[in-house]
Amino acid sequence: GQNIDQPTEMTATEGAIVQINCTYQTSGFNGLFWYQQHAGEAPTFLSYNVLDGLEEKGRFSSFLSRSKGYSYLLLKELQMKDSASYLCAIMDSNYQLIWGAGTKLIIKP
Amino acid sequence: TAGITQAPTSQILAAGRSMTLRCTQDMRHNAMYWYRQDLGLGLRLIHYSNTAGTTGKGEVPDGYSVSRANTDDFPLTLASAVPSQTSVYFCASSDSAGGSPDTQYFGPGTRLTVL
Repeated sequence: GQNIDQPTEMTATEGAIVQINCTYQTSGFNGLFWYQQHAGEAPTFLSYNVLDGLEEKGRFSSFLSRSKGYSYLLLKELQMKDSASYLCAIMDSNYQLIWGAGTKLIIKP
Repeated sequence: TAGITQAPTSQILAAGRSMTLRCTQDMRHNAMYWYRQDLGLGLRLIHYSNTAGTTGKGEVPDGYSVSRANTDDFPLTLASAVPSQTSVYFCASSDSAGGSPDTQYFGPGTRLTVL
């Protein structure tokens, strides 16, 4: 079967660093995506990992360990505008995305 | 460029009525997708189309139908709406024709309430 787990909600302080974890079990794997979704808006693409290791993109970084079925999204220098849900998705063997339920990140001043 | 547009933005529909949700993209992407998003659940794929003229069933296709007459448009039809179809519906597209990983880009969504 296929399963993706993320924490439901996290809280962090403006200016700090937060790590959002995603664990998965899938029958096929063609990469892992992270999307950001502000309340009432569409998901927007943040990152894609297909090989093990860290991908850095400005304040955001994403890590993947295929052997452990594990990824994290690291957000540095948090800003109030980073308050959003962060969605982890696995691209399966048919190149379809299987989505986690998302992690709601609350940033406090 | 507009990217992906969806219409209507929101709709209240009586149970048993039919409705078509519209989706248009101007990026000339090969693949298009319809998802529904419900509180506490991940996005769930309803139907998809890898190229114009072809469609496929996703995880939750029952009660929905789609067509892909051309590259740009991918309407989703509810033949006889039921309250369990109350959800936010997102259309997405990607440049992939189904055989390679590619980023999906999303429309703004349609909020549908079935009473």
